[in-house]
Amino acid sequence: DIVMTQSPDSLAVSLGERATINCKSSQSVLFNSNNMNYLAWYQQKPGQPPKLLIYWASTRESGVPDRFSGSGSGTDFTLTIGSLQAEDVAVYYCQQYYTTPPTFGPGTKVDIK
Amino acid sequence: EVQLVESGGGLVQPGGSLRLSCAASGFTFSSYAMTWVRQAPGKGLEWVSGISVSGGSTYYADSVKGRFTISRDNSKNTLYLQMNSLRAEDTAVYYCAKVANEYLYYYLDVWGKGTTVTVSS
Repeated sequence: DIVMTQSPDSLAVSLGERATINCKSSQSVLFNSNNMNYLAWYQQKPGQPPKLLIYWASTRESGVPDRFSGSGSGTDFTLTIGSLQAEDVAVYYCQQYYTTPPTFGPGTKVDIK
Repeated sequence: EVQLVESGGGLVQPGGSLRLSCAASGFTFSSYAMTWVRQAPGKGLEWVSGISVSGGSTYYADSVKGRFTISRDNSKNTLYLQMNSLRAEDTAVYYCAKVANEYLYYYLDVWGKGTTVTVSS
């Protein structure tokens, strides 16, 4: 199985400041034949189900604010919240869908400083 | 509106069984692979099982293989998870999630609100 790790475990950022979350996979999730990274990011607010934010490592899901951006390739990925808003308080998970079983990172909790 | 609604959760004794259902609406259910993902109390997300559009191919996490069975009824737009030989460590919120493609190797673009399974004596 591909093991996903995230850092930090949690972070507190001032409103309007940038938040950066890192995700690393134990093996590459870049599919060479289509040059796509099989990596998604999800947001989970307290008491709610996860919500898809980013797929193919950098494509924003429809309706997701453009302050959310994804980058990276191969084994190292980053989710950036460009200007943190109060409604962004949540746990963020990365997930690889390159192979079965799809695996999630342990999550990063984002709070307001 | 695309929607997934889970049901069937509850309190069950160790060794018991439960059948979860997930009713889909707002999209062509038979055109998409489907999955179950669970979340133990205070923990992260764990993929449990996936099924192809026809139901002919099924996949399981090692932690549930041989105990859980995923199935679907495309005529009823419903996904199922039959859970047998339940253990305390199966206690979790179980989410039904739609794969964004007919293939399982895609991201999960729609999630239900979840149903809670508690395994305890």
